[in-house]
Amino acid sequence: SQKIEQNSEALNIQEGKTATLTCNYTNYSPAYLQWYRQDPGRGPVFLLLIRENEKEKRKERLKVTFDTTLKQSLFHITASQPADSATYLCALVVPRGNTPLVFGKGTRLSVIA
Amino acid sequence: EAGVAQSPRYKIIEKRQSVAFWCNPISGHATLYWYQQILGQGPKLLIQFQNNGVVDDSQLPKDRFSAERLKGVDSTLKIQPAKLEDSAVYLCASSLDRLGLGNQPQHFGDGTRLSIL
Repeated sequence: SQKIEQNSEALNIQEGKTATLTCNYTNYSPAYLQWYRQDPGRGPVFLLLIRENEKEKRKERLKVTFDTTLKQSLFHITASQPADSATYLCALVVPRGNTPLVFGKGTRLSVIA
Repeated sequence: EAGVAQSPRYKIIEKRQSVAFWCNPISGHATLYWYQQILGQGPKLLIQFQNNGVVDDSQLPKDRFSAERLKGVDSTLKIQPAKLEDSAVYLCASSLDRLGLGNQPQHFGDGTRLSIL
């Protein structure tokens, strides 16, 4: 069966450290993978998109990797700050697939000062 | 630019009643999505429109849910009759994606929180 899993429901880290969030999937062949941030009571906000033929993408303190062999994406926030505390969602995009857009459950990140 | 607008922000109804949600996407965005997000879960795609045509509605419970996007702009999502398990946040998103490839960011509204009593 098709599954998308984010490594843990919650992750606590110390301010200034690097947060690493994991998104694993099975039985999908995504063309793209997107990462979003969601704050309580708000809609998700787009952060980064990576294509299947890209290994890595960066934007300021954010970095995402995509390994189609391992079927895994890693999302890194360097020099984390309390303001980075939120839920982070990964989404697989499978154009013209049976389920073209699938979100993971999310990982709730807490950055402790 | 103005973001995705949704209304109402909150809605409380009793089971078996009907309810409708409205979404105004970002101007010029060809693709519009409706999602259901149950507490503690990621958003689940219900329906995807490209302009005013349906691209995907495979996860829309068509016996009770309906959606339309007249003139390729605003959209409404309706539930009739509502069940207890429909309690969730209903999110609308739009993107510039004109080809249905999913290679454009989605811009989300803040959703409608629906509670069924």
